[in-house]
Order: sequence, then C-alpha cells, then structure tokens
Amino acid sequence: GAVVSQHPSRVICKSGTSVKIECRSLDFQATTMFWYRQFPKKSLMLMATSNEGSKATYEQGVEKDKFLINHASLTLSTLTVTSAHPEDSSFYICSARSPEGGLVVNEQFFGPGTRLTVL
Amino acid sequence: EDQVTQSPEALRLQEGESSSLNCSYTVSGLRGLFWYRQDPGKGPEFLFTLYSAGEEKEKERLKATLTKKESFLHITAPKPEDSATYLCAVPRGTSYDKVIFGPGTSLSVIP
Repeated sequence: GAVVSQHPSRVICKSGTSVKIECRSLDFQATTMFWYRQFPKKSLMLMATSNEGSKATYEQGVEKDKFLINHASLTLSTLTVTSAHPEDSSFYICSARSPEGGLVVNEQFFGPGTRLTVL
Repeated sequence: EDQVTQSPEALRLQEGESSSLNCSYTVSGLRGLFWYRQDPGKGPEFLFTLYSAGEEKEKERLKATLTKKESFLHITAPKPEDSATYLCAVPRGTSYDKVIFGPGTSLSVIP
C-alpha cells in the first residue's frame, strides 16, 4: 500500500514555457499532498501543501504564481511551473500520508520524483 | 529554531563493516522522528518512525534508535545494495504535515 506515482519522471523544456507535473496516489485517497524541491546533494525543502478542493498552502519564499498547484481529486495533485527559467531546474518530489485503519498515518510516502531541466 | 543535522556527511564502508549514522535535532516537544532511504534520482523510501526515547526498530541490517537529543541508524554487516543517502526528519510544530529533513548521510558500501 501507500504507493505514490509521478509523471513525467524527466522533462526538458525551453525557458519561458510552462511544465505540469502530476502526482497520483495509486492505492489510497489523499486529501492532502505535499510538494518538495531538492537541489543536488541537498535535502528536501517543502514548497507547498496541496489540499483537495481548496487552495494550496505555500511555504515562505515560494512564489505561488510561479508554482501553481491544483488538487482536483482525492488521488491527483498537479504542480505547474509557469514561465520556467534555468534557476527552476531541480528535482521535484511529491508525497502523501496514507490512511490506515481509519486514521491517517504520520509518515509521508514519496513519489519517485521529476527531474526538470530548463534550457 | 527547529533544526535537524546529520553526521557524517558521507561514509564509505567495506562490505561487512558495521557502523552508525547520527541524526541530531533541536525541536521543542519531539513528536516523532522518521528515517528514509533515498537512492540517486529517486524519491525517499520510508524506513522507520520512532516516537519516544529508548525506542528501537529494526529492518534487515538496519536498526534505528532514539534518545532525547538524537537518533542513530545502525548498519550491521552492510552490503553494496545498502549504498544510498539516508535522511532523517522530524515534524515541525503540532502537525505531521510539516516535516524538517536533515541534509542526509551518503553511504557507500564497497564490495
């Protein structure tokens, strides 16, 4: 259980274009998903919390107009990097906490990540 | 300020050479500590959750322990497939939604 997938796994785009990354919970429903960013040899930094049916909550310093998050269903959250620039190149990872026995477990389960390269 | 640090930054072991990784934290009212394994180019894989000082959990060659100020991930007789970056993380505040990750320890096990 608690499988999270992401698509695409890699994307290369030109500067100025927008890129959409999908995060799906495959075997459970997730009212909340999380988006992280990871730079090479660095740890994960939480960007935002995605809530099904409502607006995402962004961490301090994260531009909400640059990183658009939509959580349209209980199994899908999307992150759109708008007008991407080379400095947006990074490894983006989503996660979710799965339900177990009627409660949501405390641990987060992560997707495989998406490598974004902006030329 | 809540903070998580890990040491060493990198560790190189011979196959079969046991060792320990350290995770130190400064948070008020620890509500749990998570260990993850991350392979290059992949998302973190959940290993353990520890909730109280003195608690221990094991999985194959890995054993995680917790004190009031730090956690250790002990690796017994490691194999090359144990090579990965090991991350620890703690919840920030009162919610498990916000988690602070440490910088990780990159482990290489040489055959």
